[in-house]
Amino acid sequence: SAVISQKPSRDICQRGTSLTIQCQVDSQVTMMFWYRQQPGQSLTLIATANQGSEATYESGFVIDKFPISRPNLTFSTLTVSNMSPEDSSIYLCSVQEQETQYFGPGTRLLVL
Amino acid sequence: AQSVTQLGSHVSVSEGALVLLRCNYSSSVPPYLFWYVQYPNQGLQLLLKYTSAATLVKGINGFEAEFKKSETSFHLTKPSAHMSDAAEYFCAVSDRNGGFKTIFGAGTRLFVKA
Repeated sequence: SAVISQKPSRDICQRGTSLTIQCQVDSQVTMMFWYRQQPGQSLTLIATANQGSEATYESGFVIDKFPISRPNLTFSTLTVSNMSPEDSSIYLCSVQEQETQYFGPGTRLLVL
Repeated sequence: AQSVTQLGSHVSVSEGALVLLRCNYSSSVPPYLFWYVQYPNQGLQLLLKYTSAATLVKGINGFEAEFKKSETSFHLTKPSAHMSDAAEYFCAVSDRNGGFKTIFGAGTRLFVKA
């Protein structure tokens, strides 16, 4: 399976600022996903990022708040914009290989 | 529409006891089913998956799960719990018709008592 890394692994940010999370995969993949996991909760899909096209956002998530880039088949970024304490979560990048999703280690974000 | 229900947000077992984590799914087409484990401060790791081959699936760390179509279940078991099994476990479902979009259950936290 693909090996996925994320940077940063954790961060503490002030409200009103933005944070960009990077996701790097060791092989070329078509479909990449960004998830949010709020404290004590399950995973919620934010968006699907395919190379060469605009990201597809799930209900409740908008591009202005969570802009995504997908410049090539091994890399993607998610920006959390104008952060508030409610954005404190783990953000997970994942890739799809056939029918299975594989996950990165996550980025733990705390917004004060 | 697909859905996953994990019965029990918390399960506590003694070390050496049987682990049973329950998962029921809803899908209008033959599903793909998954169990993931999340250790503290880590991402999700695939434990095992069912993709329409053998109904009894063996995974890593001694875990296995059985796909029961008649019961729409995919329960996760391990004969003897270890302290290191303490983690959050997620059941998930996807299908080819849905472009393999994966739906996750709410998760079950497993506690292992010494």
